[in-house]
Amino acid sequence: GNSVTQMEGPVTLSEEAFLTINCTYTATGYPSLFWYVQYPGEGLQLLLKATKADDKGSNKGFEATYRKETTSFHLEKGSVQVSDSAVYFCALSDRGYSTLTFGKGTMLLVSP
Amino acid sequence: EADIYQTPRYLVIGTGKKITLECSQTMGHDKMYWYQQDPGMELHLIHYSYGVNSTEKGDLSSESTVSRIRTEHFPLTLESARPSHTSQYLCASSASTGVGFDTQYFGPGTRLTVL
Repeated sequence: GNSVTQMEGPVTLSEEAFLTINCTYTATGYPSLFWYVQYPGEGLQLLLKATKADDKGSNKGFEATYRKETTSFHLEKGSVQVSDSAVYFCALSDRGYSTLTFGKGTMLLVSP
Repeated sequence: EADIYQTPRYLVIGTGKKITLECSQTMGHDKMYWYQQDPGMELHLIHYSYGVNSTEKGDLSSESTVSRIRTEHFPLTLESARPSHTSQYLCASSASTGVGFDTQYFGPGTRLTVL
């Protein structure tokens, strides 16, 4: 079956630090990969996505590259802000299916 | 920006009560989903629908039921609430793109507390 593994949090950084949140996956087919973000008290928002190997998704300074050889989709940002403090979820959708498989989420805390 | 709404946002209710959590979307999406989010943040798919009169159970067994009589509306019902149902419930929707993946858009969630 499909599964997504994320690094455990919380990840605590100072403002302007470099961010990496690791995500690896197991899938039977050729999945699409997603990063969602959840701010306190809110639902999930799509942050970025990639649909095939070597695709790079990017949004709001965040990037992630679909690496088929390492089955990974690590999230990176060069300089985090306090406003980036949230929970980040990696997810996959197997081709032909609409349901998402989520990782357990990684909390990011950014201090001034 | 996605237009998907959930009501109520917060609900505190006693054991044994019947409750319905509402979810509506104005995007014309054919697919809708309910997730349960536990205090540890993990998300579990409990129900989904691929269109009117279509409902399926998700990965996590749930005592709740759903209906899909109208495209835009996907309510979730608990016939007899229990403290173990205390959780955050997130609704989502997506459109069939025909390209192998659908992007899901989420509502703000309903935080349910059963005393």
